[in-house]
Amino acid sequence: KNQVEQSPQSLIILEGKNCTLQCNYTVSPFSNLRWYKQDTGRGPVSLTIMTFSENTKSNGRYTATLDADTKQSSLHITASQLSDSASYICVVRLSGGGADGLTFGKGTHLIIQP
Amino acid sequence: NAGVTQTPKFQVLKTGQSMTLQCAQDMNHEYMSWYRQDPGMGLRLIHYSVGAGITDQGEVPNGYNVSRSTTEDFPLRLLSAAPSQTSVYFCASSYSSMGTVQTQYFGPGTRLLVL
Repeated sequence: KNQVEQSPQSLIILEGKNCTLQCNYTVSPFSNLRWYKQDTGRGPVSLTIMTFSENTKSNGRYTATLDADTKQSSLHITASQLSDSASYICVVRLSGGGADGLTFGKGTHLIIQP
Repeated sequence: NAGVTQTPKFQVLKTGQSMTLQCAQDMNHEYMSWYRQDPGMGLRLIHYSVGAGITDQGEVPNGYNVSRSTTEDFPLRLLSAAPSQTSVYFCASSYSSMGTVQTQYFGPGTRLLVL
């Protein structure tokens, strides 16, 4: 069964600190992996999209990495800000899959404390 | 551009009532989809559409209907609401099929409570 597992489930860090969120997946064959940010009460917003051949992709203070061999991805947030408080969702796209072929993780709930 | 809009923002229904959740996008996107988000679970696909006049079922389609008469609009109908349909519903769109590397844009969500 195609699954996306995220860890930790929740995380609290102080403003200005760095953090790394993890995503492991069993989706195969793999097409691409996405990270979304979802603020409380809002819809998810795309941060990065990576294909099989991409190892890293950045979007401002957000840097995503992908190891397609071990089926792991991480999202690193540098110099955290209060506005980074949100849920971060890892999504993996199945190659040639039916429907939209997307498998969503349950998300990591990140809280930035001043 | 307004992006993806959804109405209403919040709705309370009684068991057995029907309603339509509205979704519209002004980005000329061909691909639109509906998800539900429940506590402790990832988003789950209800229905999707690859273009006007074409719809198909996702992972959890039971109890929901959709239609796509125009590129812009993709309403979701609850035929006879049940408490199990209490959830947050998100509409999303992208330029083309998710098989390519397309950014997916989500609406703000509709929070539905079925009593």
